[in-house]
Amino acid sequence: GQQVMQIPQYQHVQEGEDFTTYCNSSTTLSNIQWYKQRPGGHPVFLIQLVKSGEVKKQKRLTFQFGEAKKNSSLHITATQTTDVGTYFCAGRRQWIQGAQKLVFGQGTRLTINP
Amino acid sequence: DADVTQTPRNRITKTGKRIMLECSQTKGHDRMYWYRQDPGLGLRLIYYSFDVKDINKGEISDGYSVSRQAQAKFSLSLESAIPNQTALYFCATKRGARDPDTQYFGPGTRLTVL
Repeated sequence: GQQVMQIPQYQHVQEGEDFTTYCNSSTTLSNIQWYKQRPGGHPVFLIQLVKSGEVKKQKRLTFQFGEAKKNSSLHITATQTTDVGTYFCAGRRQWIQGAQKLVFGQGTRLTINP
Repeated sequence: DADVTQTPRNRITKTGKRIMLECSQTKGHDRMYWYRQDPGLGLRLIYYSFDVKDINKGEISDGYSVSRQAQAKFSLSLESAIPNQTALYFCATKRGARDPDTQYFGPGTRLTVL
């Protein structure tokens, strides 16, 4: 089953409103990454968080990694129509025989009313 | 990114047919991945390869096979396609063990199995 849960699955906002998507893992993650997929496009890397409690900002986007390294959030302040798309988190976790793998959340699809 | 290309971009086929999806990259990356994307399920790993002689199963490898013909080429085969393999397929590359732990995705192949 899905080991990185992402909520909500869909979010519709008015332009200018804020938006937040959350990821939760059942196990501790080595790092967490965020990707954005525009409609009809492919996932594009946004950022990686590695440290417990880490917070990073990219203009209107704020990314957080929880203290226990099991959860993360992406917050967009004052959304713009260019923010439309699906946002995925991806957590790197232990897998089999010492290997690690990247597990993607289900994604949050953001739509915006201009 | 134009550095990762996938062919074909769209394919409609019938149940039981053999299908090959191809991925090429000019990024010089060692690691290559095949994912499938289904609505509400995010991206799930099918197979991955760390170099030409290294092939590994992902979480949903049943019904699929792969070939790493060269560092730059990684193809995915469906030996006998079935309707529940209808999905969007992405190839991705990664430099290696270096940080950041970024994967670069191709434009995707939309496969429909009738």
